Amino acid sequence: EIVLTQSPGTLSVAAGERATLSCRASQSISSRYLAWYQQKPGQAPRLLIYGESGRATGLPDRFSGSGSGTDFTLTISRLEPEDFAVYYCQHYGSSLWTFGQGTKVEIK
Amino acid sequence: QVQLVESGGGVVQPGRSLRLSCAASGFAFSDYGIHWVRQAPGKGLEWVAQISYDGSNKYYADSVKGRFTISRDSSKNTVFLQMNSLRAEDTAVYYCAKEHTVTTIDPWGQGTLVTVSS
Repeated sequence: EIVLTQSPGTLSVAAGERATLSCRASQSISSRYLAWYQQKPGQAPRLLIYGESGRATGLPDRFSGSGSGTDFTLTISRLEPEDFAVYYCQHYGSSLWTFGQGTKVEIK
Repeated sequence: QVQLVESGGGVVQPGRSLRLSCAASGFAFSDYGIHWVRQAPGKGLEWVAQISYDGSNKYYADSVKGRFTISRDSSKNTVFLQMNSLRAEDTAVYYCAKEHTVTTIDPWGQGTLVTVSS
């Protein structure tokens, strides 16, 4: 079973700055099976980015995903106030869906 | 628009059972798999179970296998999660969510809280 480890646990960033979130898999995985979700306080998660180029409808261009093998990154180029939230990576494999433990992006 | 509404949560004693429901609307229910994902208080997301579009395939996390059963009733556009032998560590908000692609999950309902406590 693939284990996803996200870092850092908490990222303190000022609005307008860049945020780089990491997701490391316990073994090499295909980027086709890696996705990112956002969860704001008191809300359900929502899908942001998935597969090699999939994006949620209306997702701002400041969000981008990259990576291969065991190392994947979610980048938010210029943080807006509404981007402060917890972000999860997720993998699918062998009919199992696995989440990382999350990275909280907080206002610096 | 797609809507998923969970119900059935509450406080239950360890070892007892509870059944959650997820009422779906706004999409062709019989064309999509449905997931249950849970989130313990202050913790991250844990995938629990998935049922395929026609109910022929069901998958479970190891942590609930043998205790939880997922099912669906297409006549009612509803998915169920039967939870038996509940433990304190099953305490969480339980979300139901629609299959977005085979590999991804979206959108999600607002969740229902299950508290296992004596």
